[in-house]
Amino acid sequence: GAGVSQSPSNKVTEKGKDVELRCDPISGHTALYWYRQSLGQGLEFLIYFQGNSAPDKSGLPSDRFSAERTGGSVSTLTIQRTQQEDSAVYLCASSSAGGPYEQYFGPGTRLTVT
Amino acid sequence: AQKVTQAQTEISVVEKEDVTLDCVYETRDTTYYLFWYKQPPSGELVFLIRRNSFDEQNEISGRYSWNFQKSTSSFNFTITASQVVDSAVYFCALSENQGAQKLVFGQGTRLTINP
Repeated sequence: GAGVSQSPSNKVTEKGKDVELRCDPISGHTALYWYRQSLGQGLEFLIYFQGNSAPDKSGLPSDRFSAERTGGSVSTLTIQRTQQEDSAVYLCASSSAGGPYEQYFGPGTRLTVT
Repeated sequence: AQKVTQAQTEISVVEKEDVTLDCVYETRDTTYYLFWYKQPPSGELVFLIRRNSFDEQNEISGRYSWNFQKSTSSFNFTITASQVVDSAVYFCALSENQGAQKLVFGQGTRLTINP
């Protein structure tokens, strides 16, 4: 079946602009995660959604970052007033439940802030 | 706090050699989960294996094998008879048993298999 998809694959934006990154999880997966991969910080957790529960936002680096998940499926990560340090690959993952199951990752969105 | 350390930043071997990637973790949880992921040049993270903290049996899958030792907090990964297609960055990760069960990743080991 289809894997996790993300769009766009690449995004170049000017400093100060807002960006939206989209994630389509594997159909039927109730848990959805956002991670960020950068040279300096490695792979780091951003936010977690599980069903109708309140999201775990503990990994968001600042209040410029937010995310939502509509209808328990598609998720959008929004970064407001982008800064150069936001440049990274943003990865989305989904798993079949909110337990310690394997997470399946999408191809990522490479964000470059100029 | 949870932490994963992959001390080997880069490894380069000749095809057909065996290679072991080291992973050491820290956690205060008694129940936790360990993972290995592969990130080939295409960039997509590929799940390889998951182990829970109560299962210390080693596992073999084809040319891949994993050695989990709680006594040394290690979860090492060995590739036997390496192939060029094994070239990738490999990440070890740890997951807690509660809350978001997010993955805490090591810094990764870049493995290059030379023909």
